[in-house]
Amino acid sequence: EIVMTQSPATLSVSPGERATLSCRGSQSLSSNLAWYQQKPGQAPRLLIYGASTRATGIPARFSGSGSGTEFTLTISSLQSEDFAVYYCQQYNNWPLYTFGQGTKLEIK
Amino acid sequence: EVQLMESGGGLVQPGGSLRLSCAASGFLFKNFAMSWVRQAPGKGLEWVASISAGGGSTYFADSVKGRFTISRDHLQNTLFLQLSSLRAEDTALYYCAKDSGRSSGWNEFEHWGLGTLVTVSS
Repeated sequence: EIVMTQSPATLSVSPGERATLSCRGSQSLSSNLAWYQQKPGQAPRLLIYGASTRATGIPARFSGSGSGTEFTLTISSLQSEDFAVYYCQQYNNWPLYTFGQGTKLEIK
Repeated sequence: EVQLMESGGGLVQPGGSLRLSCAASGFLFKNFAMSWVRQAPGKGLEWVASISAGGGSTYFADSVKGRFTISRDHLQNTLFLQLSSLRAEDTALYYCAKDSGRSSGWNEFEHWGLGTLVTVSS
């Protein structure tokens, strides 16, 4: 089983600043990694797939990078609506998907 | 517009059974793999099960293997999850999710329903 590790567990950032979230896989994932955003009381929303491609309707301030075992989600200038929990998910070892434990992005 | 609407959740005793449904609309249901993902209260996301577009292949997380079954009905455009031998640790919000279909393999989850809550307690 591929284990996904996200860091940090909680990230405190001020609006307008940049946020950088990390995700590491226990095995190489090629670029088969997705990022999801989840706000309280809502379903997850796909942000990034293929490690770096924004999903439909996702603002350009969200960007993904990385390949292999190390991945990053960057939000360039935080807006109030961006404070949420973010999950990475590997689908390289499909269909035995695994999610990271999540990073909570909170207002500083 | 893609819509996924789960139903069938509720309170069930340990050892009991429940059948969850996910009504799909806005896309050609028979062409896409589908999955169930759950989220225990205050916890993260856990993949539960997936089924191929045609329904011939199914896959389960180790935590539910042998207790849950996944199926689909292309006439009703509905995805199912049969839960049995339920345990307290199965308590969660259960989401159905649609594969993006981006490649011929299995892909990211492009659309999600709002979830249905399963509570296992005596």
